[in-house]
Amino acid sequence: DAKTTQPNSMESNEEEPVHLPCNHSTISGTDYIHWYRQLPSQGPEYVIHGLTSNVNNRMASLAIAEDRKSSTLILHRATLRDAAVYYCILRDVWSTSGTYKYIFGTGTRLKVLA
Amino acid sequence: GAVVSQHPSWVICKSGTSVKIECRSLDFQATTMFWYRQFPKQSLMLMATSNEGSKATYEQGVEKDKFLINHASLTLSTLTVTSAHPEDSSFYICSASPTGERIQYFGAGTRLSVL
Repeated sequence: DAKTTQPNSMESNEEEPVHLPCNHSTISGTDYIHWYRQLPSQGPEYVIHGLTSNVNNRMASLAIAEDRKSSTLILHRATLRDAAVYYCILRDVWSTSGTYKYIFGTGTRLKVLA
Repeated sequence: GAVVSQHPSWVICKSGTSVKIECRSLDFQATTMFWYRQFPKQSLMLMATSNEGSKATYEQGVEKDKFLINHASLTLSTLTVTSAHPEDSSFYICSASPTGERIQYFGAGTRLSVL
């Protein structure tokens, strides 16, 4: 199973960019890289995903290394509401129904300082 | 985006009783739903895959007789914690994905406290 490695915690100042790294050296050619975040006492919410090319959406940007062994989630201007645990997930094996299941790693706890 | 609803959001029960948690996909049909458990300060742990019309698939180490899963319709899966004990106290989260979408949508979670 492909695994991900993330720093346990990071800090950022409000209004500044944040770069959250993720290593996934055993990624397979067809694994998508997904990022989710979990605010306190809530279920995870989708942030962004990609395969090979860098991706942008209204929440964040995803930069994927050329060899795909690492990726970086970029929050362009951190706000206090971005304080959460960020999970980098490689879409794992098919479940019996044909739907992919997620295996969560430890994630990175982001603290945003006012 | 799609919405997944969980009920109740919080439940307290006595040791030895059973608790049922519902997971509903509000605006899409889901042939598969997933159940997770999360202890404080820890990551989500996948418990089982709920399959509409067939038996659930449990992850290694998860007791299927303890955590009963019923996926009775394309929009509803239930997790019943049977004969709950204090060590079952945890945050239970479900997720589902519309057919063809790569994104999983998660419920807000159910916090179970067993006294």
